[in-house]
Amino acid sequence: DTAVSQTPKYLVTQMGNDKSIKCEQNLGHDTMYWYKQDSKKFLKIMFSYNNKELIINETVPNRFSPKSPDKAHLNLHINSLELGDSAVYFCASSPEGLLEAFFGQGTRLTVV
Amino acid sequence: AQSVTQPDIHITVSEGASLELRCNYSYGATPYLFWYVQSPGQGLQLLLKYFSGDTLVQGIKGFEAEFKRSQSSFNLRKPSVHWSDAAEYFCAVGAGNTPLVFGKGTRLSVIA
Repeated sequence: DTAVSQTPKYLVTQMGNDKSIKCEQNLGHDTMYWYKQDSKKFLKIMFSYNNKELIINETVPNRFSPKSPDKAHLNLHINSLELGDSAVYFCASSPEGLLEAFFGQGTRLTVV
Repeated sequence: AQSVTQPDIHITVSEGASLELRCNYSYGATPYLFWYVQSPGQGLQLLLKYFSGDTLVQGIKGFEAEFKRSQSSFNLRKPSVHWSDAAEYFCAVGAGNTPLVFGKGTRLSVIA
């Protein structure tokens, strides 16, 4: 009964590759997010979607492209991966209006 | 813009001792405040939240937090720490329909 699930949990890839991370929530929430957690554990918002529409796009390289096929899914595609993209990426969701965010288990991306 | 400061990067306490983790926020109106816990290799789990009303809020795992508007603080407390409480703790602030803004986290170590 996982509420917010991400796949894969670990991803190791070479510089220059393109990769995707998938996220699904079964909570019926309208809003989904992608956060990036760096090596110092700092969590920073990347994108926010509400009902499949992009609401917030923080200062993120355009190599990162989120896609929301429906309000239960928010995938993250990354082109031309760089070493600095290595981090843990968290998907989260929240109900309409800001209440607490529910987080997935994270995807640890390592670019070599 | 909202911001959160967690002044303590790392705290070590003895098992059975009391705990207080500090959090200060910056926001113009009444914020929504949260504490999350992240165990190694895991996602973030909500411990407790404050929206309005009673300024002392109870959470899961025996944690509580007190909202003090005059000090712009939302400190997390636990009367008796267990070894399983060792983790990273994040304070977060939210408002309206904007994503949560997180502090940089406090790592809690518990010694016997």
